[in-house]
Amino acid sequence: GAGVSQSPSNKVTEKGKDVELRCDPISGHTALYWYRQSLGQGLEFLIYFQGNSAPDKSGLPSDRFSAERTGGSVSTLTIQRTQQEDSAVYLCASFELLAGGRTGELFFGEGSRLTVL
Amino acid sequence: RKEVEQDPGPFNVPEGATVAFNCTYSNSASQSFFWYRQDCRKEPKLLMSVYSSGNEDGRFTAQLNRASQYISLLIRDSKLSDSATYLCVPRMDSSYKLIFGSGTRLLVRP
Repeated sequence: GAGVSQSPSNKVTEKGKDVELRCDPISGHTALYWYRQSLGQGLEFLIYFQGNSAPDKSGLPSDRFSAERTGGSVSTLTIQRTQQEDSAVYLCASFELLAGGRTGELFFGEGSRLTVL
Repeated sequence: RKEVEQDPGPFNVPEGATVAFNCTYSNSASQSFFWYRQDCRKEPKLLMSVYSSGNEDGRFTAQLNRASQYISLLIRDSKLSDSATYLCVPRMDSSYKLIFGSGTRLLVRP
């Protein structure tokens, strides 16, 4: 498959535990994004990467959330000391600029569904 | 003011109807726009991108009004399969940051 791959697809954890969510973007896509979507809500922007750098971390909800990207490819979103309000689907996407650089397409993975008990 | 605002709906229309909804954006520097479609419990998929004043693809037409800072999506001859949430996202050429609207839910009934 040449799409965006996320793992795990489902994660159930206990309050207070740490979790790591992984995203494998489409090869060659420079930009990578993390969004969070709670049940019945819209996509909440968390962070994006250009290469391995994160120009904008303003969407991370608290200092319990961190993300990194290595080798311009795989990214990991880490949530420390999880809380019940962290329960949501975490969506990763990578972005391809089309010819001319004026437009492009954001390709999403299927998401990681996190449930904090 | 939110960066991107959409009427949450739901818009409940019969098959065959024409329906339109708007997306307003606060950043006047936005230069291109995307409409995404999200089915229940699925990831969003690109429906249409808009760079100039508008775009048309079959039954779907997007119109951009830069003066009033909104983009609309018009769906003609609605199908049951059009039932979904439609998400709007503006983009500046100088930035990769992409903030989505909260989406407009469309329900097409038989």
